[in-house]
This record gives sequence, C-alpha cells and structure tokens, in this order.
Amino acid sequence: DIQMTQSPASLSASLGETVSIECLASEGISNDLAWYQQKSGKSPQLLIYAASRLQDGVPSRFSGSGSGTRYSLKISGMQPEDEADYFCQQSYKYPPTFGGGTKLELK
Amino acid sequence: EVQLVETGGGLVQPGKSLKLTCATSGFTFSNAWMDWVRQSPEKQLEWVAQIKDKSNNYATYYAESVKGRFTISRDDSKSSVYLQMNSLKEEDTAIYYCTWNFDYWGQGVMVTVSS
Repeated sequence: DIQMTQSPASLSASLGETVSIECLASEGISNDLAWYQQKSGKSPQLLIYAASRLQDGVPSRFSGSGSGTRYSLKISGMQPEDEADYFCQQSYKYPPTFGGGTKLELK
Repeated sequence: EVQLVETGGGLVQPGKSLKLTCATSGFTFSNAWMDWVRQSPEKQLEWVAQIKDKSNNYATYYAESVKGRFTISRDDSKSSVYLQMNSLKEEDTAIYYCTWNFDYWGQGVMVTVSS
C-alpha cells in the first residue's frame, strides 16, 4: 500500500496567517491527491482534488500544489471557520490511503 | 440535493455481525461507484470497500483488514449500498461513512465492537 505521511500533526495559526500542510507519499502518485477538511463532529469535506483543483464552493484562500511524492495544502489567510482537521488522500493505486491528519487551531 | 444517510450501527460483541445501510438520493445512483470509509476513535481514516456500477459488473474491492469478513453490495432499485460485517473485531470500532466519489459523504454511523 502507498503510505501517506502528513505533517505537522497539529499547528496553531493566528487570524490572517498563511498556513501550509505537507503530505509525502511513499511512491509517486501522479497528482492523484485530494485534501479534505473535517470539522468537529462532521464528515470530511472535499477541498481539493487532482492535487491543485479547487472543489466548487471552496474559498479561494485554499490552494494545493505538488508533484511526484510531495504535496501541500496552503491556506492564505487563516479564518476562524478554518479551524478543523485536514487529511490528504491518494487515489493513484488501490487501496486509497489517507494521511494521519493535521489538527489546525486558531491561536 | 445529494444525500447519503447511513443506518445500522450500534454496539456488538466480538465475533458477531452487523449490516450497515446507506440510503442515497439526489444523483443517478445506478451509475455511481460507492465506497465505505471508516474513522477510528484516534481519527485515522481508512478506506474499507468499493462497489462499481452495473457496466463494470458490480466489481468489488476491499481493504486487506476486512477482506473475507465484510461484504459490500448494492440495490440500484433502492439507491442503497450496504456493508455486511461479519466476525467483527474490537479494532473494527469506528465511525463508518458511505461516500460517492469521495465528494459526497454521509453523516456516518458509529460501530462499537466490545464485550
């Protein structure tokens, strides 16, 4: 299985601060990478797919980048509603696998 | 509006069985590939199973951790997907979500395996 190593496990950001979360795949995944946001007590919500494509309705302060084995999610200007857990997921090979998650809190 | 609603969770003893149902609406279910994903109490997400559509012969795929114990199935006439879980283990304790394309997710249903 492809292992997805996500970092950091947690971080705290001030209002308006730019935040980055990283995901490292154990092998190349050809941009078959999605990012999810999960707020407390809710289901995961798709933010970004194909590494950099923003899902409809997702604020433009969210962006994704990367290639090969390294991918990142950036939030340009932390907002209170961005406080959540974030997960990456590869769909390049079965089984689909997820990163361990990043807990993002507002400082 | 797309909706996915899971039911059937609960507390069950190790070795017993449970069947989850995901009732859907708001999209053409018969063409959809459906997945079950679970989230452990430690919040780790794990893909569990997938079932493809009729044109793909309803092909099914499973995580190694559940292969031989869990069965995914569907009823296109009811726009529903199911997860039959047998020989349950304590490590199967999780919130189980059904999802369409990993884009739309149900609210999840809790399964607790404990004696």
